[in-house]
Amino acid sequence: SQQGEEDPQALSIQEGENATMNCSYKTSINNLQWYRQNSGRGLVHLILIRSNEREKHSGRLRVTLDTSKKSSSLLITASRAADTASYFCATDGGNSGGSNYKLTFGKGTLLTVNP
Amino acid sequence: EPEVTQTPSHQVTQMGQEVILRCVPISNHLYFYWYRQILGQKVEFLVSFYNNEISEKSEIFDDQFSVERPDGSNFTLKIRSTKLEDSAMYFCASSVGTPKQYFGPGTRLTVT
Repeated sequence: SQQGEEDPQALSIQEGENATMNCSYKTSINNLQWYRQNSGRGLVHLILIRSNEREKHSGRLRVTLDTSKKSSSLLITASRAADTASYFCATDGGNSGGSNYKLTFGKGTLLTVNP
Repeated sequence: EPEVTQTPSHQVTQMGQEVILRCVPISNHLYFYWYRQILGQKVEFLVSFYNNEISEKSEIFDDQFSVERPDGSNFTLKIRSTKLEDSAMYFCASSVGTPKQYFGPGTRLTVT
């Protein structure tokens, strides 16, 4: 199954605007995370939301989770040129013994914020 | 802030050769992972490692792949006989045992 499908695949906005990215998944999850990747670089953790949570905020980030629709959204408010990056959702189905978490990533949304 | 480091940043090898990708996880982390990202595709889980043994591996992680923690700081991924389709960005990650993982900058492997 294809877990973690983001849309849109690419999003181009002007500085100061809000950016919304969506992620859908197919199997049950324990946690959903959003990561950011600058071109050719590693992934940086942004925010985690647990399956029993509906909304979380961190600075200019707001993430929602709807487990009935198996979907999540990431909102970046007042975007800046430095927010230009690819954004990925990643899900885990919980422990497979101990505290090992296998993450399943989506294809990502490429966000371009134009100055 | 502590970081996961990876070496080399770029490795070019010929098909059939062995490569070892190296990672230094964050020092107090106990759970270690390798992922790969073929150009333009999703980041894919390869293997997780805890307490000196593999916890879980994907179907990609076949007999050509192995992982090792040879000392208290390094975590390595070995590909015994590289294929063209092994060309990808390989990411190491570590965690303290929470879902949040810290990723290294990656090693770009090019197999010619």
